[in-house]
Amino acid sequence: DAKTTQPNSMESNEEEPVHLPCNHSTISGTDYIHWYRQLPSQGPEYVIHGLTSNVNNRMASLAIAEDRKSSTLILHRATLRDAAVYYCILRDMGFRDDKIIFGKGTRLHILP
Amino acid sequence: ETGVTQTPRHLVMGMTNKKSLKCEQHLGHNAMYWYKQSAKKPLELMFVYNFKEQTENNSVPSRFSPECPNSSHLFLHLHTLQPEDSALYLCASSRGKGRPGANVLTFGAGSRLTVL
Repeated sequence: DAKTTQPNSMESNEEEPVHLPCNHSTISGTDYIHWYRQLPSQGPEYVIHGLTSNVNNRMASLAIAEDRKSSTLILHRATLRDAAVYYCILRDMGFRDDKIIFGKGTRLHILP
Repeated sequence: ETGVTQTPRHLVMGMTNKKSLKCEQHLGHNAMYWYKQSAKKPLELMFVYNFKEQTENNSVPSRFSPECPNSSHLFLHLHTLQPEDSALYLCASSRGKGRPGANVLTFGAGSRLTVL
């Protein structure tokens, strides 16, 4: 999978929106952008994915740059339960291989 | 409950013991994965199985031995481990290689291993 770059940590106030950036300048045309998050003492959980268009679900929104070289995960109203490590990864659409590599992710701190 | 169940949740073993970690999924997925997560480190991919066949071995020492008897079950057999092998071992599943679509990973809660 192509490499992604994320800030090591971010802080946000409770009940405010959070924008988590991810750079993936070497993305290929067949790569999906996936976001996962890992709450303390749990395994990672799927948050959202997208290909070209912006996406919304009950957990978050995903904004994808027009050139697809970056994306932003948006939590519209952060709660204390959103404190977690957020991972951005790329997954090939045809899945020619399964070597799914996670980076260090962004540790999100929510301030009450 | 995510649909991927890992047992045991916690395991303490000596360096000379032999133990196994078990992972089970009933999501109809065909690919299963073992990841290792040491303290304050990223997830490290260990093994991948597609349709019961091992398709990735990420240079894992032979003291870790995976087994995938069917698409729903995955084991990690452990023997003569070292204290530095203490970590959270995570199992995941997905639809698998060659299946077009988003192919989302579903993770278990992990097995916390302590090697004394």
